[in-house]
Amino acid sequence: EPEVTQTPSHQVTQMGQEVILRCVPISNHLYFYWYRQILGQKVEFLVSFYNNEISEKSEIFDDQFSVERPDGSNFTLKIRSTKLEDSAMYFCASKTGLAADTQYFGPGTRLTVL
Amino acid sequence: DQQVKQNSPSLSVQEGRISILNCDYTNSMFDYFLWYKKYPAEGPTFLISISSIKDKNEDGRFTVFLNKSAKHLSLHIVPSQPGDSAVYFCAASKRGAQKLVFGQGTRLTINP
Repeated sequence: EPEVTQTPSHQVTQMGQEVILRCVPISNHLYFYWYRQILGQKVEFLVSFYNNEISEKSEIFDDQFSVERPDGSNFTLKIRSTKLEDSAMYFCASKTGLAADTQYFGPGTRLTVL
Repeated sequence: DQQVKQNSPSLSVQEGRISILNCDYTNSMFDYFLWYKKYPAEGPTFLISISSIKDKNEDGRFTVFLNKSAKHLSLHIVPSQPGDSAVYFCAASKRGAQKLVFGQGTRLTINP
């Protein structure tokens, strides 16, 4: 069964450093998402991406964040200058099309900012 | 932002019995609801969903009930099995919107 994959599984970085989290969505999916879950809190929406542009973003997704689909398979989340409060699990998700409602999630990347 | 709430942080059920997980929402614009299951160190796994035009959807041991007037949905698992022990998240979305809004999750433990 096709699945969303994410790399790395765990990323440790120093505050102020840039990180790039990588995702490979399911191959025939057209809509891509990033969510995060800070320890002990809810899963929160960050951004959605379709047709090579952001279609919706939350207030968390400020200028320090960016997303890109550099080729036909990868979808990346970049945090330009990490802060301690960026420490969280970051989940990538994808779905087939606008009419589809079910998003399928990857296993997550645990980001630890020291 | 408390648009989706799961008021029980944990639930313990005996193997073979029914597990009932509850979820409430406040935004009447939500028209699609999903349940995800999550094991530690893994991503949320889709379980079952329901559209607001229905009040029940069944898939094997899992049934989701939607009460629109009460803005309440529930997930029934019967019979409960040890492998069902996980955190269960309720999520909601509006047609045309992209994001899912999640509840806090309920940790279900199935006891042998």
